[in-house]
Amino acid sequence: DAGVTQSPTHLIKTRGQQVTLRCSPISGHKSVSWYQQVLGQGPQFIFQYYEKEERGRGNFPDRFSARQFPNYSSELNVNALLLGDSALYLCASSLGQGSTEAFFGQGTRLTVV
Amino acid sequence: AQTVTQSQPEMSVQEAETVTLSCTYDTSESNYYLFWYKQPPSRQMILVIRQEAYKQQNATENRFSVNFQKAAKSFSLKISDSQLGDTAMYFCAFMNFPQEYGNKLVFGAGTILRVKS
Repeated sequence: DAGVTQSPTHLIKTRGQQVTLRCSPISGHKSVSWYQQVLGQGPQFIFQYYEKEERGRGNFPDRFSARQFPNYSSELNVNALLLGDSALYLCASSLGQGSTEAFFGQGTRLTVV
Repeated sequence: AQTVTQSQPEMSVQEAETVTLSCTYDTSESNYYLFWYKQPPSRQMILVIRQEAYKQQNATENRFSVNFQKAAKSFSLKISDSQLGDTAMYFCAFMNFPQEYGNKLVFGAGTILRVKS
């Protein structure tokens, strides 16, 4: 079985632009979470989705949004990019149903110039 | 809100020796989970070991073991017989007792571990 896949792996955007990051969870996993990891820091929780509904949101501005599709894949959108949005964006999938194990993708490295 | 603190930004150890990474956390919950994740240069976050707070016995996974002190809210990771492949960033993480849909992880700032030959 394939693991968690994220695309693209690297991305360079200009300030003020919009970006969409994609995540495909492990087959059978219904929960997807997004994390932002700024260089030299630990990941920070952005969103969690389960069965296509938002189940949790971290302390991020409204410029950040996400959705989950019927096949459980997910997109993270960031509008009006700022230099401070430059980071590694990690997607994690889990079964849900009380599962404690999260499986991470390799992330998307976003650079805002 | 839960917080996780890793006070060692960097550590180094000689190959085959033992190293301990420190982690403290703050929570008012009684049921929760603690984790150590490894992030090598490939960026993929890999689960190293998991501890359930209601279990007094310390978790072990081959060369990796934890010292879980619930009253002190301390959760350290011991790596025995260190190998070059253990070189990575190590994150301590906290999770509340999971809900039906899973739950979020709260991470510390990480400790860079370098294993030297």
